[in-house]
Amino acid sequence: GAVVSQHPSWVICKSGTSVKIECRSLDFQATTMFWYRQFPKQSLMLMATSNEGSKATYEQGVEKDKFLINHASLTLSTLTVTSAHPEDSSFYICRLPEAFFGQGTRLTVV
Amino acid sequence: RKEVEQDPGPFNVPEGATVAFNCTYSNSASQSFFWYRQDCRKEPKLLMSVYSSGNEDGRFTAQLNRASQYISLLIRDSKLSDSATYLCAAQRGYQKVTFGIGTKLQVIP
Repeated sequence: GAVVSQHPSWVICKSGTSVKIECRSLDFQATTMFWYRQFPKQSLMLMATSNEGSKATYEQGVEKDKFLINHASLTLSTLTVTSAHPEDSSFYICRLPEAFFGQGTRLTVV
Repeated sequence: RKEVEQDPGPFNVPEGATVAFNCTYSNSASQSFFWYRQDCRKEPKLLMSVYSSGNEDGRFTAQLNRASQYISLLIRDSKLSDSATYLCAAQRGYQKVTFGIGTKLQVIP
């Protein structure tokens, strides 16, 4: 069974709106969650690391005000893409340190 | 230079063939290495970790060459179900994992 549950699996939204993606850890106490983005024919790129009870750590070039990360509990980490634009269309996926990925969210901004 | 480099392929091989993928990493501080399998539009799933001594899991063999900074994955007796993209990954420190672009394998009947 799944170790990490990610929702939604896909979403289509209008430009300018915000989208929230959730990752729930089902079997582990997730003090840390990694958030990746994958564009077509490109590798998974680490965007940020969320830490339970503290601020997320963002990779260079990732706008923290645009990609809001919240890790309020040991089982839930969320990524909110704010004011989404077509260039944000991508595959977003979370990962536990124990090497388990969520199912991924395919975001299309129109 | 990318931290983890792979040939994106695609590699088209007949059923039953043996196929090998290589992956190079640039950061000598990388300590742990992995191969993941990713099916189209799905999440990556851990295939196997890679150990210095080499390790085997059924038809899959992984090897690590620290001196040359590359890892390899060998698949014997390819099955149609092996068709997927294979990602290599290198880990530095406790948690930071960098992925390659993935090598696409298509096994044909």
